[in-house]
Amino acid sequence: SYELTQPPSVSVSPGQTANITCSGDKLGDEYVSWYQQKPGQTPLLVIYRDSQRPSGIPERFTGSNSGHTATLTISGTQALDEADYYCQTCDINSVVFGGGTKLAVL
Amino acid sequence: QLQLQESGPGLLKPSETLSLTCTVSGTSISSRDYDWGWIRQAPGKGLEWIGNIYYSGRTYYNMSLKSRVTMSVDTSKSQFSLELSSVTAADTAVYYCARWGPGGSDWDVGSFDYWGQGILVTVSS
Repeated sequence: SYELTQPPSVSVSPGQTANITCSGDKLGDEYVSWYQQKPGQTPLLVIYRDSQRPSGIPERFTGSNSGHTATLTISGTQALDEADYYCQTCDINSVVFGGGTKLAVL
Repeated sequence: QLQLQESGPGLLKPSETLSLTCTVSGTSISSRDYDWGWIRQAPGKGLEWIGNIYYSGRTYYNMSLKSRVTMSVDTSKSQFSLELSSVTAADTAVYYCARWGPGGSDWDVGSFDYWGQGILVTVSS
């Protein structure tokens, strides 16, 4: 079965840029979505189709996908961006989530 | 405003069947543009996809759960449902229902754009 690999944790200073990666075999050939989940809350879609932002998602959230790696970039990271982030793609007739990355804003 | 609401028992015994329903409001569950899905999250763990269903009844299931999962849709009630048989403690999780778009034949480029609040299901003797 297809697997997506994310680093367990990423740390960033307020105002700096956070990059969260998601790796999978030929991932660049598929669309990737990203979800933000804060403690005790429901996941929130922040990026779909590699780089598209849903309505209401701040412009500081951007996405890219090429080769074997997709990246969620958060520019000018704020304390309220501290959360778990999950990447997601589709394999044959299935949906796959990455293991999640805990973003710490220190 | 689109809303999804999970309902069902919060406590099960091992070997029982988990049955959950998601009630959709604010949009048509019969829309050709969307699938409807179930996702779960064990305590302190990541997201695990369970399956998707289209208004026509077409389903896709997680292969690791396929032998125990059945999803169905009732368009007249604007609901879709999940059954998971022979549960064990490993099935203890928050279960979310969510909308997946696009659905239908283009489903494999989609994502979950609206989620229910989730329901905690505990399996314990």
